[in-house]
Amino acid sequence: SAVISQKPSRDICQRGTSLTIQCQVDSQVTMMFWYRQQPGQSLTLIATANQGSEATYESGFVIDKFPISRPNLTFSTLTVSNMSPEDSSIYLCSVEDHREAFFGQGTRLTVV
Amino acid sequence: AQSVTQPDIHITVSEGASLELRCNYSYGATPYLFWYVQSPGQGLQLLLKYFSGDTLVQGIKGFEAEFKRSQSSFNLRKPSVHWSDAAEYFCAVADSNYQLIWGAGTKLIIKP
Repeated sequence: SAVISQKPSRDICQRGTSLTIQCQVDSQVTMMFWYRQQPGQSLTLIATANQGSEATYESGFVIDKFPISRPNLTFSTLTVSNMSPEDSSIYLCSVEDHREAFFGQGTRLTVV
Repeated sequence: AQSVTQPDIHITVSEGASLELRCNYSYGATPYLFWYVQSPGQGLQLLLKYFSGDTLVQGIKGFEAEFKRSQSSFNLRKPSVHWSDAAEYFCAVADSNYQLIWGAGTKLIIKP
């Protein structure tokens, strides 16, 4: 099983600023996934990050707002740019290993 | 289009009582089905999964689920709940590209 370390665990940010969330996996994985979970909602996939290529974004999410880096097979970052209160959510990093999804603890973001 | 429906937003049961959480899916091929649990302030943990074979699947923490193709259902059950089972439960289906499609979640409340 994969162990994922995600940080920060929570942050309170001013609107208009940016926050970068880090995700570290204890093993090499091909695909990493970034999700958003808005208050009281289910998970929405933001993008899939493959090492060595551009991330693939889901409908409604764009690279300018959520730039993603994937420099190697164990690490990825998600930046939430030019934040507004509507970006207040939990952001989750996930990897797939033997058809099971593993998740980080999540980053609880509050934008004020 | 593929979808997952969890018809109950929240369910309240007494400690020691039995539990069934409903999940219906819409998917053309044989689905990969999952139940995850999210405890307050925690990431998501896999309870159980179904890929093929025996339609009654045993998971962790005393949970089980039954795949019923004729009903497009994958309901989660536990014979006797404990206060520590209070959490949000998510049903998910994976397509052939292993992209997860999530239900809206069911919040389980345990009465003492």
